[in-house]
Amino acid sequence: DIPVTQSPSSLSASVGDRVTITCRTSQNIYGYLNWYQQKPGKAPKLLIYGASSLQSGVPSRFSGSGSGTDFTLTISSLQPEDFATYYCQQSYSTPIFTFGPGTKVVI
Amino acid sequence: QVQLVESGGGVVQPGRSLRLSCAASGFTFSTYYMYWVRQAPGKGLEWVAVIRYDGSDKYYAEALKGRFTIFRDNSKNTLYLQMNSLRAEDTAVYFCARRLDNGSGRYLDYWGQGTLVTASS
Repeated sequence: DIPVTQSPSSLSASVGDRVTITCRTSQNIYGYLNWYQQKPGKAPKLLIYGASSLQSGVPSRFSGSGSGTDFTLTISSLQPEDFATYYCQQSYSTPIFTFGPGTKVVI
Repeated sequence: QVQLVESGGGVVQPGRSLRLSCAASGFTFSTYYMYWVRQAPGKGLEWVAVIRYDGSDKYYAEALKGRFTIFRDNSKNTLYLQMNSLRAEDTAVYFCARRLDNGSGRYLDYWGQGTLVTASS
């Protein structure tokens, strides 16, 4: 398995803020990195796949970047509905997909 | 529309068994890899198991090998997870998810709502 780390583990932000979450892997995974959003009591929702491709229906304020071992999820202007936990996931070592520990975005 | 509906969760004594089901609809189930992912209370997401679209290959998280079995019935559009010798640390919400592969990557694009398994005496 390829370990995945995320930082920060939590962050406090306000509506309208620009938020950046970082994901790092221990080896080169090229662009095989996905981002999910999860709200309490709900299933995870795919936001970004292939490091930078926006999933259909996801607002354009979400964007992803990076390749190799370092990746970033950016929310350009935080909205009230964006307060949630965000997970990155590597899919290079298919079919084994490992998740990062998550980043909780709080008010 | 794509739907994944898990069932079979509940309270079970440690050491006992439980079988989870995931009923799929709205897509050609037999052509997709399927995953089980779990989430212990207050914790993050943990990959559990994956099965190839035809059931010929299966992979498990190292810590679960020998206790959990993933299988599928493509004629019933249903994914299963047989969990034996359950432990308190298996207490979690279990999600099934569909994997999609395209030119841009590999990812889990649809998830079920989850089913809660509680291993407790």
